[in-house]
Amino acid sequence: DGGITQSPKYLFRKEGQNVTLSCEQNLNHDAMYWYRQDPGQGLRLIYYSQIVNDFQKGDIAEGYSVSREKKESFPLTVTSAQKNPTAFYLCASSEQGLTDTQYFGPGTRLTVL
Amino acid sequence: DQQVKQNSPSLSVQEGRISILNCDYTNSMFDYFLWYKKYPAEGPTFLISISSIKDKNEDGRFTVFLNKSAKHLSLHIVPSQPGDSAVYFCAAAIIQGAQKLVFGQGTRLTINP
Repeated sequence: DGGITQSPKYLFRKEGQNVTLSCEQNLNHDAMYWYRQDPGQGLRLIYYSQIVNDFQKGDIAEGYSVSREKKESFPLTVTSAQKNPTAFYLCASSEQGLTDTQYFGPGTRLTVL
Repeated sequence: DQQVKQNSPSLSVQEGRISILNCDYTNSMFDYFLWYKKYPAEGPTFLISISSIKDKNEDGRFTVFLNKSAKHLSLHIVPSQPGDSAVYFCAAAIIQGAQKLVFGQGTRLTINP
């Protein structure tokens, strides 16, 4: 059945290491998104992509990078330049635009030790 | 600058009663509003939305009210059921031109039997 998968559910990394979070969707959606959720804060947009081979920075893109080589996949790399990488990361997709109904994956909790 | 605020981090309501979740925004350019619901260890799911040309939208037990002059929206759930216990996020969007979507911090709703 259709949906969005994120793996792994929990991820631990040492400080200074880059780490890549996976996001795959089989909904045939054009647009995909990465959000970060911290305690007491709403979902904050990191990056989004409305079409293959194109992506835009969201509100908190510093220290992150993405690629969109395939429609189904939108991996997020948390680089060592991200000052506070420990967080809950959510991937989402929508048919076309940022304001279409978004369908979210289950999330990945990243802990940097 | 928190453009979308949910000032109540948590709310506790008795089963069968009405739950009212509130959301305030500051940017008068927002013209579309959404509510998402999130269970633990899952991604948020879309619940209901409203366009700025309306002041009310109803879907079963869920009704969203929009007061543009007060820059305030609320989600009413009646009657409340135990399965409604979740975190509720409101989101505000600009759908024309340069699109924008901003989430609130979330309100944890607990329905007590």
